[in-house]
Formats: sequence, structure tokens, C-alpha cells
Amino acid sequence: AQKITQTQPGMFVQEKEAVTLDCTYDTSDPSYGLFWYKQPSSGEMIFLIYQGSYDQQNATEGRYSLNFQKARKSANLVISASQLGDSAMYFCASSRVVNYGQNFVFGPGTRLSVLP
Amino acid sequence: DVKVTQSSRYLVKRTGEKVFLECVQDMDHENMFWYRQDPGLGLRLIYFSYDVKMKEKGDIPEGYSVSREKKERFSLILESASTNQTSMYLCASSPWGGRGLPVWTQYFGPGTRLLVL
Repeated sequence: AQKITQTQPGMFVQEKEAVTLDCTYDTSDPSYGLFWYKQPSSGEMIFLIYQGSYDQQNATEGRYSLNFQKARKSANLVISASQLGDSAMYFCASSRVVNYGQNFVFGPGTRLSVLP
Repeated sequence: DVKVTQSSRYLVKRTGEKVFLECVQDMDHENMFWYRQDPGLGLRLIYFSYDVKMKEKGDIPEGYSVSREKKERFSLILESASTNQTSMYLCASSPWGGRGLPVWTQYFGPGTRLLVL
């Protein structure tokens, strides 16, 4: 079974600094996807970034980048130049193809607080 | 624009009541999911459906059932609500590209905060 581990329940970062949120995954599937989602206090889940297991390059989306280290089974999220609006819960997730669709496994989340 | 809606943002029910949570997506997605979210546990998959009338159990299906009579609608049913089902419930959908094609992200609804008294 797949498992996602996020070892940082909470993180603080100063505005305009970079921050790394850790994520490790455990899967025996040869093909999988890794995702990061942001959940502000309003509750909606916002997709941030995706990395495929066969992608050679690390994914980037604006200020977000995913540091993918396949041998270590880690998929850390890096947020550059933090903003106050980045304060939220962040979830790492993995997906895999099953017979007729796909399912997803989520980590417990990391609460990021950006300080002015 | 992508849209997943849930029937209620907040719901208060009594123990033993039958509870229906509805989710509708307008993106013609094949896959739909129900999760519950609890502090420190993240999102846990209750059920998912890959087609009309098709369903698969997730990690925590006990006490829940689902219904998918139409492609755009996926309902979660609590047959007899209990206090330990007080939680945030999130619905999501995703397209299915078929084997050999990239997996896709999910699109989430706004969530339903359920309180069972």
C-alpha cells in the first residue's frame, strides 16, 4: 500500500524567504504521480504542482518547485519568496493507476505560517 | 472553468439520522472521490467511483455507502450517523486518460463540515 509521510506538522518562515516542506513516499508501483495541494483557512483544496515518476526534470510552477529525489523517495515542495498569502495547510499526495481508474493517498499535512 | 459543487457547506445532524452528502461536477470526469479530513490525519479516502454505478472501497468505508447513478453526481450516505463521523467531507473528481497516459490531478469541491450531535 502507498504511504505519504510529512514529518513537519508546522513550519514558520519569514516573508520573502524560501521554505522547503518535506514529503517522503512509499510505493512499489513503477508508475505514479506526486502532487502538492494548498488548503487555506477557507477550506478549498488548491492544486499547486505535479511530478510524474518518469519525469527527468523537477517540476516548477511559478514560485513553487518540487525537489524530486526518486532514489530517496522524496518529493519536497520549495516555495521561493514566501508571501503572507502562502500561510495555509500543505498536503503531499501520490496517485497510482488501478484497474479502471486511479486513486490517491494523502499525507497528514504541514501547516505553514508566514511571518511579516 | 472547472467546477465541483457540494450540496452543503455546513450540516448538523443527530446520532442515528440518515445523512446524504451530494457532489456534482461539470467536467465530464470519469473518476469521483469522497474523502474525510481530520486534523493530523490528512485526507482519507472513503470511496471512489470510476464510472456510473461503479464504486470501489477506499481506506475507511465502514459506516458509509455511495451512489453514482449519473456521471456528474456522486453521493455519500451515512446510513446511521454517529458522533465519530463528525468531520470535514471533501468530494473530488478527475479525468481518466487510460493506461499509458499521464495521471491527472483531482479537482475538489469546497467541502462539507458535518457535525453529528
